[in-house]
Amino acid sequence: GAGVSQSPSNKVTEKGKDVELRCDPISGHTALYWYRQSLGQGLEFLIYFQGNSAPDKSGLPSDRFSAERTGGSVSTLTIQRTQQEDSAVYLCASSSPLQLVGLTGELFFGEGSRLTVL
Amino acid sequence: AQSVSQHNHHVILSEAASLELGCNYSYGGTVNLFWYVQYPGQHLQLLLKYFSGDPLVKGIKGFEAEFIKSKFSFNLRKPSVQWSDTAEYFCAVNDGSARQLTFGSGTQLTVLP
Repeated sequence: GAGVSQSPSNKVTEKGKDVELRCDPISGHTALYWYRQSLGQGLEFLIYFQGNSAPDKSGLPSDRFSAERTGGSVSTLTIQRTQQEDSAVYLCASSSPLQLVGLTGELFFGEGSRLTVL
Repeated sequence: AQSVSQHNHHVILSEAASLELGCNYSYGGTVNLFWYVQYPGQHLQLLLKYFSGDPLVKGIKGFEAEFIKSKFSFNLRKPSVQWSDTAEYFCAVNDGSARQLTFGSGTQLTVLP
């Protein structure tokens, strides 16, 4: 597609339920990132995928959070047993093989999935 | 670990006023520095970046930023803001080896017509 696509755009769930957020990166982009944007907190790095390499999971806040990337393209972020503090906008970004962060810094972001945990 | 501080959480200006948004980072080695912007209802997009060379970098829409290594700063400037500059601005840093950007908490800019 033309840009990074995320779904759902809005998700309201009850505390304790599991949620899945989906990201479809720009075609051909091998690097994929998940960030979390909380009110007044900026963007918090969650996880990074690059091609077939093992993902960098260093930003995941707890073992309730997991992510996978199937076929090197679409990624799903799963939050199990959601808590109210998980409420945030979850942003996905991708970059091309020639535009890794260390070279040009241009991450292409989706519009995010707003998660509200009641 | 890297950290980025944006001291201004919300800035309100009238059109034609000059803008300067502060950004300080903590990493002492070689850094790559960025400003991203998020217009209302839109996704984050790159405004400008610094990797090396001239410490004064120019970006889109008349924005510029100056890298001052001794002050660990990368402030964003614009001589004359427009109503359309209303947005949230994020400073970010990368040390060139890590794969991800570390972002500041953002500054909401409101420009009054």
